Amino acid sequence: AQKVTQAQTEISVVEKEDVTLDCVYETRDTTYYLFWYKQPPSGELVFLIRRNSFDEQNEISGRYSWNFQKSTSSFNFTITASQVVDSAVYFCALSESANTGNQFYFGTGTSLTVIP
Amino acid sequence: ETGITQTPRHLVMGMTNKKSLKCEQHLGHNAMYWYKQSAKKPLELMFVYNFKEQTENNSVPSRFSPECPNSSHLFLHLHTLQPEDSALYLCASSQDSRRRGGLAKNIQYFGAGTRLSVL
Repeated sequence: AQKVTQAQTEISVVEKEDVTLDCVYETRDTTYYLFWYKQPPSGELVFLIRRNSFDEQNEISGRYSWNFQKSTSSFNFTITASQVVDSAVYFCALSESANTGNQFYFGTGTSLTVIP
Repeated sequence: ETGITQTPRHLVMGMTNKKSLKCEQHLGHNAMYWYKQSAKKPLELMFVYNFKEQTENNSVPSRFSPECPNSSHLFLHLHTLQPEDSALYLCASSQDSRRRGGLAKNIQYFGAGTRLSVL
């Protein structure tokens, strides 16, 4: 079974619209980490955020915000007032405490296109 | 600039060729990783090196051979590849500390990747 599910394969929005990218994870660990990465056309994955399982506070960074809900095993990412530069593939990832190799489990990614 | 350089950025090779991918990190990290990214699939972890020792090999075929001569450099040697090996190969690094019960789960930083095409 996939540990990280990003059900939205592709999303298109018009510039200045808000958009939420969904991430659902599965783990039996009580201690784990969740991440979001952005992959622009240039290829490199750019780190956006890391949360640990004990910190359920929502976080806002500029136009980005993250909603962590342990009750639904979700870690959703919202971009407010989207811009063309936000067009990229976004990946959610999970790392479990029992995993001594620091393995990340990535979702399949959501491709976001922001139309000017 | 992520602090991780991968060369070459693009590589086309025949199935009988031998080539190597190179990754160099300037972040002072002590763990390095190779990932394979294929279309419509999650990133697949291939190899992990912690403190220059290989700690993970996720059932990767022997036609892929990693080498980590020091904590700043990581290579992936390729030989007798198949067309299905065509993908984006990403290198990552992190600063991991060995603590009781396992490694600290630190952020992985990625290079821009090598786009490999096997003909």
